[in-house]
Amino acid sequence: SSELTQDPAVSVALGQTVRITCQGDSLRSYYASWYQQKPGQAPVLVIYGKNNRPSGIPDRFSGSSSGNTASLTITGAQAEDEADYYCNSRDSSGNPHWVFGGGTKLTVL
Amino acid sequence: QVTLKESGPVLVKPTETLTLTCTVSGFSLSNARMGVSWIRQPPGKALEWLAHIFSNDEKSYSTSLKSRLTISKDTSKSQVVLTMTNMDPVDTATYYCARLTTVVSWLGWFDPWGQGTLVTVSS
Repeated sequence: SSELTQDPAVSVALGQTVRITCQGDSLRSYYASWYQQKPGQAPVLVIYGKNNRPSGIPDRFSGSSSGNTASLTITGAQAEDEADYYCNSRDSSGNPHWVFGGGTKLTVL
Repeated sequence: QVTLKESGPVLVKPTETLTLTCTVSGFSLSNARMGVSWIRQPPGKALEWLAHIFSNDEKSYSTSLKSRLTISKDTSKSQVVLTMTNMDPVDTATYYCARLTTVVSWLGWFDPWGQGTLVTVSS
């Protein structure tokens, strides 16, 4: 099996840049995807693959990866970006299993 | 427009079996690059992947819950069904279904998600 580790909470000043990280062995083999979840709402995909944004996701969201760490960067954070962010990838066990990180609560100050 | 919608009971008793249905629209469950997963989230906690069904009817289950889960699909009805046996209060959670698109084995993403359905386990 595999685990993905995220910092529980991160804060950023309005308009500044913030990086949310996700660590796990599976990230050496599989791309991460990132999801934004606001209170009472379903998760929404914000980044997938090397650095792809679904239609409708602002270009201030970007993704990167190095070794066993994937990162989600928000350049010029807005108040509406305050949310929980989850990373996800396929499990590195070789079976078609998927795993989520524990989530990062982003506060925009 | 692709949508998924979960339906099922809001309250189940301990030891009962939960049956949830995910009704999809805007894509076919026979599309080779797409499948549907069930994912849950206990109140205030993180997301947990439960099970997945591929277009070819191959199924995959969370190792920790495998003995309690069954996933199936009815392509003609555009529905994916998840059953979970022997429900316990710790299974109280919002249950989501989500479409998984896989281009290659190392690249996949869940999009979109259903609105979720809160299931409470209590006597």
